[in-house]
Amino acid sequence: AQTVTQSQPEMSVQEAETVTLSCTYDTSESNYYLFWYKQPPSRQMILVIRQEAYKQQNATENRFSVNFQKAAKSFSLKISDSQLGDTAMYFCAFMKAYSGNTPLVFGKGTRLSVIA
Amino acid sequence: DAGVIQSPRHEVTEMGQEVTLRCKPISGHDYLFWYRQTMMRGLELLIYFNNNVPIDDSGMPEDRFSAKMPNASFSTLKIQPSEPRDSAVYFCASSRQGVFTDTQYFGPGTRLTVL
Repeated sequence: AQTVTQSQPEMSVQEAETVTLSCTYDTSESNYYLFWYKQPPSRQMILVIRQEAYKQQNATENRFSVNFQKAAKSFSLKISDSQLGDTAMYFCAFMKAYSGNTPLVFGKGTRLSVIA
Repeated sequence: DAGVIQSPRHEVTEMGQEVTLRCKPISGHDYLFWYRQTMMRGLELLIYFNNNVPIDDSGMPEDRFSAKMPNASFSTLKIQPSEPRDSAVYFCASSRQGVFTDTQYFGPGTRLTVL
């Protein structure tokens, strides 16, 4: 079975600064996907970024980027130029890659507060 | 395009009552997932469907829980009888099968409170 660990229950960052959220996972699979989802106080789960394990290049989406270390089974999220709207719970998630879709396995989340 | 639609957004009921949660996936999506979010256990899969057929229901906690998908545009999650420990946020998510596994898109969730 796969497990996802987020070791930082809470973090805070000053507005406009950079913050990195950690995630490690355990799997015996060779092909998989990794995701970061954001859950603001509205409760909506919003996809932030995804990474295919077969790709060596780290994914980026505007101010969000990841540091994917496959050998170390690490998948951290970096948020640059933090904004007040980035305040939310952030969940790291794992998905096995098969010909069909499979369920997500989530970490427990990191609560991020952006301070003005 | 409309996203995943869930109803109701909030449900408050008394122990022993039947509760039905509803989900409409994104049009054209082949997969539908039901997740539950609690403080103690985080986000966990309950059941998922592919082309309206249940694929894995190993996450359904007990026989009080049942889920159906009668057609491609509708699914229900039913709890009968409900208990206070069922209080949680229930999410529905859908995704499209393609050459590469697609992203799951989540509905707004239903917050269930069982008194």
